[in-house]
Amino acid sequence: AQKITQTQPGMFVQEKEAVTLDCTYDTSDPSYGLFWYKQPSSGEMIFLIYQGSYDQQNATEGRYSLNFQKARKSANLVISASQLGDSAMYFCAMREGRKQTGANNLFFGTGTRLTVIP
Amino acid sequence: ETGVTQTPRHLVMGMTNKKSLKCEQHLGHNAMYWYKQSAKKPLELMFVYSLEERVENNSVPSRFSPECPNSSHLFLHLHTLQPEDSALYLCASSQGQGSSYNSPLHFGNGTRLTVT
Repeated sequence: AQKITQTQPGMFVQEKEAVTLDCTYDTSDPSYGLFWYKQPSSGEMIFLIYQGSYDQQNATEGRYSLNFQKARKSANLVISASQLGDSAMYFCAMREGRKQTGANNLFFGTGTRLTVIP
Repeated sequence: ETGVTQTPRHLVMGMTNKKSLKCEQHLGHNAMYWYKQSAKKPLELMFVYSLEERVENNSVPSRFSPECPNSSHLFLHLHTLQPEDSALYLCASSQGQGSSYNSPLHFGNGTRLTVT
């Protein structure tokens, strides 16, 4: 089964509007971390935001916020006031806490390509 | 210096060549990773080094050989590759032991590899 599912291959948003990128995850581990990365066309994976499984509050970093719904196993990324420079691929990822084979792995989804329209 | 630096940015090699990818991190991290990113597939973890010891090898073919001489440097030695090995190879580092689930990975720009 897929650990991370991103169902939106592509999204469009008007400049200055907000956009939500969807992510659902699958784990039976009570301890895990959820991450969002941005990958511009240059190729670098840029870390945006982190949410821990035990965190009570939704994570926020500037214009990025994570809508964490633990019961639904979803961790959607919200980008407010979109800018042209936000156009990129966005990846949701998860890391589990158990010390077992794969515990070092950061599982990635297939990504969502966001295009900001002027 | 940027956090994680990879060289070269682009590499074209024939199937009989031997080449190496280099990664250097300036973040003081003690875990380093190689990932492979192919078109329309999720990123695949290849190798993890924690405190210079290899702690993960995800069934990667032996034509890929990693080397981690110290906590700041990571290499991926390539030989007799196949065209399907063409991909973006990303290096990353993180703080703490490789299995800390709350440590974000910091990535380099990647090496775009084309095997002809």
